[in-house]
Amino acid sequence: NAGVTQTPKFRILKIGQSMTLQCAQDMNHNYMYWYRQDPGMGLKLIYYSVGAGITDKGEVPNGYNVSRSTTEDFPLRLELAAPSQTSVYFCASSYSIQKGEAFFGQGTRLTVV
Amino acid sequence: QKEVEQDPGPLSVPEGAIVSLNCTYSNSAFQYFMWYRQYSRKGPELLMYTYSSGNKEDGRFTAQVDKSSKYISLFIRDSQPSDSATYLCAMSGNGDYKLSFGAGTTVTVRA
Repeated sequence: NAGVTQTPKFRILKIGQSMTLQCAQDMNHNYMYWYRQDPGMGLKLIYYSVGAGITDKGEVPNGYNVSRSTTEDFPLRLELAAPSQTSVYFCASSYSIQKGEAFFGQGTRLTVV
Repeated sequence: QKEVEQDPGPLSVPEGAIVSLNCTYSNSAFQYFMWYRQYSRKGPELLMYTYSSGNKEDGRFTAQVDKSSKYISLFIRDSQPSDSATYLCAMSGNGDYKLSFGAGTTVTVRA
């Protein structure tokens, strides 16, 4: 009963480094999302996908890239990390967003120094 | 103006008190309204879901939606220390692929 699995849980990056945050779901959901959460700012949508091979930008896509080659996986790529990307990143998936059934992973805490 | 407004608090109440949380929104197309609960260092989880206007009750939790005022509320009766968390409102409309979230309200219930 894994649900949405994110790796790694914690990471410290140096400015200019790159990394990929992994997200996998085993519920056969079509919709997948990447959010970032900063203190007192709620959840900001970075990218989302409505199915394999289809992705679209959210509110704050700059500095990030995604791909969706399978239904299960939705990795988020950070290129040239900047201190402004220090945040907690959550991946989520849903069968039907209208029913509010978005399932979230446990998050990745990223610090860029 | 943000699409969804939510007072971030924080809110601190004694055990047994009623907790009242609310959000306002500007998009009249929103039809689906949710409350998510997020414990510290965890991902959000769905707490309550309401379609269109009206009330929904689940144990100690009551969700209310007033579409005419573009206002939604969550009430927690007989609050417990285990209710200490951040509560986020979220909403969407027909055909939307994503949720619009409020900023979240951090609640602490003191024993």
